[in-house]
Amino acid sequence: DSGVTQTPKHLITATGQRVTLRCSPRSGDLSVYWYQQSLDQGLQFLIHYYNGEERAKGNILERFSAQQFPDLHSELNLSSLELGDSALYFCASSSDGYPYNEQFFGPGTRLTVL
Amino acid sequence: ILNVEQSPQSLHVQEGDSTNFTCSFPSSNFYALHWYRWETAKSPEALFVMTLNGDEKKKGRISATLNTKEGYSYLYIKGSQPEDSATYLCAFLVNKLVFGAGTILRVKS
Repeated sequence: DSGVTQTPKHLITATGQRVTLRCSPRSGDLSVYWYQQSLDQGLQFLIHYYNGEERAKGNILERFSAQQFPDLHSELNLSSLELGDSALYFCASSSDGYPYNEQFFGPGTRLTVL
Repeated sequence: ILNVEQSPQSLHVQEGDSTNFTCSFPSSNFYALHWYRWETAKSPEALFVMTLNGDEKKKGRISATLNTKEGYSYLYIKGSQPEDSATYLCAFLVNKLVFGAGTILRVKS
């Protein structure tokens, strides 16, 4: 158990809908990273937040947004969902603002868009 | 486009065999290289973070080396066990981690 929690574990929804994925980092960690794992692709970095501020962005679609709250939990919002958004979404946390240090991954949220 | 290549794509070995796989990355602007182990139905777990050319790190039967000048890292597993079966990912750090596709290791008892 990495200490990172993600909810929900599974999510099934329809095209055009909006969902929110939630992540709580390990106690004391200030950074949260979001990743997407699709069937045909490796782990793709989406976005990094450090202590409430956006630090780095990957190939995150405009339909996707994220934020980190004062209690350091983070939410990833996915809207106008398409079939291709079906994937495993991981969040990871680390202690500081630079991804030099190892990241601790949560169990993931499996999103299925029908 | 930043390319992180891992080889082989998959590997099947017998229990007790030693094995190694490769991660290739751009040799310019190196900051760090991460290795993760990802077991089926679990989440990736950090093995090593390597930052200096010539770095060698070890955790039990698993070790890794780093050559930043030529842009590669090797991961070695000595005396593979069935519980070593997993996907091994490397990730190159720019301002974010760029992951390779992984090497799938299956150890048969």
